[in-house]
Amino acid sequence: AQTVTQSQPEMSVQEAETVTLSCTYDTSESDYYLFWYKQPPSRQMILVIRQEAYKQQNATENRFSVNFQKAAKSFSLKISDSQLGDAAMYFCAYRRGRGGSEKLVFGKGTKLTVNP
Amino acid sequence: DARVTQTPRHKVTEMGQEVTMRCQPILGHNTVFWYRQTMMQGLELLAYFRNRAPLDDSGMPKDRFSAEMPDATLATLKIQPSEPRDSAVYFCASGLGQGLSPLHFGNGTRLTVT
Repeated sequence: AQTVTQSQPEMSVQEAETVTLSCTYDTSESDYYLFWYKQPPSRQMILVIRQEAYKQQNATENRFSVNFQKAAKSFSLKISDSQLGDAAMYFCAYRRGRGGSEKLVFGKGTKLTVNP
Repeated sequence: DARVTQTPRHKVTEMGQEVTMRCQPILGHNTVFWYRQTMMQGLELLAYFRNRAPLDDSGMPKDRFSAEMPDATLATLKIQPSEPRDSAVYFCASGLGQGLSPLHFGNGTRLTVT
């Protein structure tokens, strides 16, 4: 079974600085999809960014970008110019490729604190 | 914006009581998921449906939990009887299937069993 590991239970960053959250996963498949979700104190799960394993170009969404290293099975999230509103739990998730299950397998999350 | 709607938002009950959580997925979505979130285990998949058919409930304690989709606009998760270890946040999510299509989550039900 696929597993997702987030090795940093907590991280902190100064406002306006850059922070990188780590995520590694275990799979024997070559076709899959990766996601980062944000969960602020409101409890709502919000999609941050997503990446298809077959695309070598790293995904970006405004201040959020990923460093996807397929051989290393690594999918880290970089947040640039951190804002107070970025404070949240961040979850990395894996989905199998075409023909596989639609379910997402989540890591246990990283709690990000943004200091003013 | 279309949203997944979950009710209730909070539920406090006594051990042994039946608990029913409801979810209205986004219209047109063909997959529905139930996840449970705890500090220790994180987000665990309990069950999921495609086109209302149950596909995977391997994460669900079968003796006390049941999940159904009586129609395309309603998914339910029942616990009977409830136990203190069931205290958690339960999320419903819906989606359009595979690939890069994301899951859209409801706001969750925080369940406390005393």
